[in-house]
Amino acid sequence: QVQLQESGPGLVKPSETLSLTCTVSGGSISSGTYDWGWIRQPPGKGLEWIGTIFYGGRTYYNLSLESRVTISADTSKNQFSLKLSSVTAADTAVYYCARLSPHTSSWPPWGQGTRVTVSS
Amino acid sequence: DIQMTQSPSTLSASVGDRVTITCRASQSITSWLAWYQQKPGKAPKLLIYKASSLESGVPSRFSGSGSGTEFTLTISNLQPDDFATYYCQQYNNYWTFGQGTKVEIK
Repeated sequence: QVQLQESGPGLVKPSETLSLTCTVSGGSISSGTYDWGWIRQPPGKGLEWIGTIFYGGRTYYNLSLESRVTISADTSKNQFSLKLSSVTAADTAVYYCARLSPHTSSWPPWGQGTRVTVSS
Repeated sequence: DIQMTQSPSTLSASVGDRVTITCRASQSITSWLAWYQQKPGKAPKLLIYKASSLESGVPSRFSGSGSGTEFTLTISNLQPDDFATYYCQQYNNYWTFGQGTKVEIK
């Protein structure tokens, strides 16, 4: 059974770059069967898709974040990563990594989430 | 952008009730609609995909229907474990979520 686990700093200063890693176990991110992505949830609010990395490394980002987001994969470590630059307080959220089922365009399963606070 | 509007925002119900949550899309998404359950402090869990297909391991009291712009999630015989927040999610050429419906104890 595939499991995802986010890791990274819980506190980032304004204007700096948020960097998170998702480690996948129980399945290979390079199998070609699934794609992978990041979704976030500000405190007390709903869910926002950040971006997706497809098999082969092609990426697709939320237009509202596209200028600041980079998602990449390290297949040797079975990990994929998120970088979000020039962060502000509005980027404070729980960040989830998740597996995308390409045939259904839904996200099962998700990591447990990691809380990131942007503050000086 | 495709907007997803869920109603109601909050729903009060009792164990054993049948509850229905509606999700409307601002334009047609055919059947590219999923439903998730989220409990406090936990990640969302997929319940329904492609509008009406039940994810493996999800109890059969959960069902989904609809196509185009209007969709529903129905929970028959509401159980104590079902009190949570529910989100719809669409895929057209990207993914967006509804604002959520909190199902609380009456």
